[in-house]
Amino acid sequence: AQKITQTQPGMFVQEKEAVTLDCTYDTSDPSYGLFWYKQPSSGEMIFLIYQGSYDQQNATEGRYSLNFQKARKSANLVISASQLGDSAMYFCAMIITDSWGKLQFGAGTQVVVTP
Amino acid sequence: GAVVSQHPSWVICKSGTSVKIECRSLDFQATTMFWYRQFPKQSLMLMATSNEGSKATYEQGVEKDKFLINHASLTLSTLTVTSAHPEDSSFYICSARIAGAWREQYFGPGTRLTVT
Repeated sequence: AQKITQTQPGMFVQEKEAVTLDCTYDTSDPSYGLFWYKQPSSGEMIFLIYQGSYDQQNATEGRYSLNFQKARKSANLVISASQLGDSAMYFCAMIITDSWGKLQFGAGTQVVVTP
Repeated sequence: GAVVSQHPSWVICKSGTSVKIECRSLDFQATTMFWYRQFPKQSLMLMATSNEGSKATYEQGVEKDKFLINHASLTLSTLTVTSAHPEDSSFYICSARIAGAWREQYFGPGTRLTVT
């Protein structure tokens, strides 16, 4: 069975600092994909970054980068130069490798950026 | 980027009544749509997978007779909560997937349902 784990329920980070959000996963399938989403208090799910299991390089999208360590089955999100607007819930998700592509989400990490 | 809309954005209904939530892909065709439920301070839990023209596939523990899903076209899926009870109060989010591309998944803005 596939499983995705986020062990940090919440964290505080100071503005302009970098923060790393942990995500580990478990799957026996060699082909999978990993997502990070941001959910502000409004509830919308904002796509941040995607990493495919066969991608050779770690994914980056602006201030977001994914530290993909395949052997350790971890896909940590790094947010550089935190901004107050980064305060939100962050979810790691894995695409389940069946024919429909449904996502399995981790428990989430609440990030609060302080001035 | 691709846009998914949901309607209504929030709804209040009385216990025992039914409520329908629409999920539309506005600028692309979605062969597959997903319905999630999220309780406060919790993660998203998949309720069902909806494929155009076929019956929805429900996750274990989700009552198919209570949560009716219809995917009548490539741009519209509906979730009907029948005989709603206060415990059905939740945030319901849909997502739509473009066929052939795993990373091409787009979420609707969600619908907040309150059953009184």
